[in-house]
Amino acid sequence: NAGVTQTPKFQVLKTGQSMTLQCAQDMNHNSMYWYRQDPGMGLRLIYYSASEGTTDKGEVPDGYNVSRLKKQNFLLGLESAAPSQTSVYFCASSNSLPGQGNEQFFGPGTRLTVL
Amino acid sequence: DQQVKQNSPSLSVQEGRISILNCDYTNSMFDYFLWYKKYPAEGPTFLISISSIKDKNEDGRFTVFLNKSAKHLSLHIVPSQPGDSAVYFCAATVTSGTYKYIFGTGTRLKVLA
Repeated sequence: NAGVTQTPKFQVLKTGQSMTLQCAQDMNHNSMYWYRQDPGMGLRLIYYSASEGTTDKGEVPDGYNVSRLKKQNFLLGLESAAPSQTSVYFCASSNSLPGQGNEQFFGPGTRLTVL
Repeated sequence: DQQVKQNSPSLSVQEGRISILNCDYTNSMFDYFLWYKKYPAEGPTFLISISSIKDKNEDGRFTVFLNKSAKHLSLHIVPSQPGDSAVYFCAATVTSGTYKYIFGTGTRLKVLA
C-alpha cells in the first residue's frame, strides 16, 4: 500500500515549457487535490476533484489545468511555465467528499523550478 | 488576506516539556479544524482534528483546544519528544456550502534533547 505517490520528485523547466505532474493513490479515495507550497506561506489549493471525471478550481488555479480520467490518478498540467510557478507541489487524497472536513493524505511532493 | 494565521514561525522546547502551537482564524464560517505535521522532504501527515461543536479533543500526547469566540485554536503536545520536531500546519475548513480548506503558514517546532 503505497498511499499517494507523485512523479517526478524534482523538475527544472525553462520559461514557456509545459509539463505534467502525475499523482496516483491506491486507497480508492474519491477526492483528490493539488496544492502548492511557497516559502512563508501555507499550502494553497490549486484544483480539486470530487470524483472521476470532475474537477473544480481552488484558490490559485491560473496557469494550471488538471484531469481526472481515472479514479486513482490526478494530473496537474502547466501550460506555459513561468518563474512564479516555482514551488513545491503536493497531491492529496481523501475518502470523503470535499467539504466534509476529513483528513487528507499527502504525497511526498514535487519540487519544481522554472528558470 | 490570510484567513488562517500561525503567528509564530518557530518554537523551541525542551524534551519532556509542553509544546503549545497556536493558530488564529478570521472566517466564522470555518467549522472543522485539523492539525498536520510535516517532516522535511515529506508531505504533511494528519495529526488531530476538532469540530466546532467541541472545545477540546485529545489523542494520546496531543490535545487540540478550540476557542470559537476568540477564533483561536491551539495544539498541546505533552510530553514533547525529539521526534516531534517538525513543521506543524493548522487547517480550517467549511463543511457546507462553498468548499474551503485553508492552511496556515506553519510553525517549526524544535524539541531539544
